[in-house]
Amino acid sequence: EDQVTQSPEALRLQEGESSSLNCSYTVSGLRGLFWYRQDPGKGPEFLFTLYSAGEEKEKERLKATLTKKESFLHITAPKPEDSATYLCAGINNNDMRFGAGTRLTVKP
Amino acid sequence: DADVTQTPRNRITKTGKRIMLECSQTKGHDRMYWYRQDPGLGLRLIYYSFDVKDINKGEISDGYSVSRQAQAKFSLSLESAIPNQTALYFCATSDGRRGDTQYFGPGTRLTVL
Repeated sequence: EDQVTQSPEALRLQEGESSSLNCSYTVSGLRGLFWYRQDPGKGPEFLFTLYSAGEEKEKERLKATLTKKESFLHITAPKPEDSATYLCAGINNNDMRFGAGTRLTVKP
Repeated sequence: DADVTQTPRNRITKTGKRIMLECSQTKGHDRMYWYRQDPGLGLRLIYYSFDVKDINKGEISDGYSVSRQAQAKFSLSLESAIPNQTALYFCATSDGRRGDTQYFGPGTRLTVL
C-alpha cells in the first residue's frame, strides 16, 4: 500500500537552531514529492515539488532534498514565523498521498 | 481575492442531515479535488475531477458524493451526515497542463452532532 510517513510528529526549536524534517515514502511509480506548509485554521500552502532523486530546491531558510526512499526539509536558522505544520505528499498516476505532518514550533 | 474559495467556512449539523460544501476557483484550473483532514491522519482524498465530465473516487469516497457544475465549481455532498464525518474539508485545484501541484482553499470545519 502506498504510504507517506513523516517524522518527528512535533519539533520544538530555539530561534536559530537548524534542523531537518523527514518524509519517507513507499509510493509505487512516484511521479513527484511535494512539501506544503499549513498554518492553524488555513489550507496547505505549496512550498516545493521534487521530481527525481538528487534534486534539491531552496526558498529562504528552507531546503528540500529527495532520495529514492525519503525527502528532507532542512530549516536553517529558523525564526518564530517558521512555526507551522509541514506536510509532505507523494503522487503517482492520479493519487496524491499525504503524510500526517510535522508540527514545528520555533521559540524566540 | 482568494483564488480558491470554500463555503461555508464553518458548519454544525445533526446526524442524518444532508450537507453540501461548495468550492469555487478563479485560477482557471481544469482539475479539482476534495480532501478531508483529521488529526494524526493527514489529508485524505475523497473525490477528484479532471474536467466537467470526469469524476473519480478517491481513497475514502463512501458516504460522499460530488458534482462538478462548471470548470470553476465543485461541490461535495454528505447525503446523510454521521458524527465520524466531523473533520476539516479542503478543496484543491491543479492545472493538468502544468504539472501536479495542487493549490488549496481555506477549508470548511464541519461538525456533525
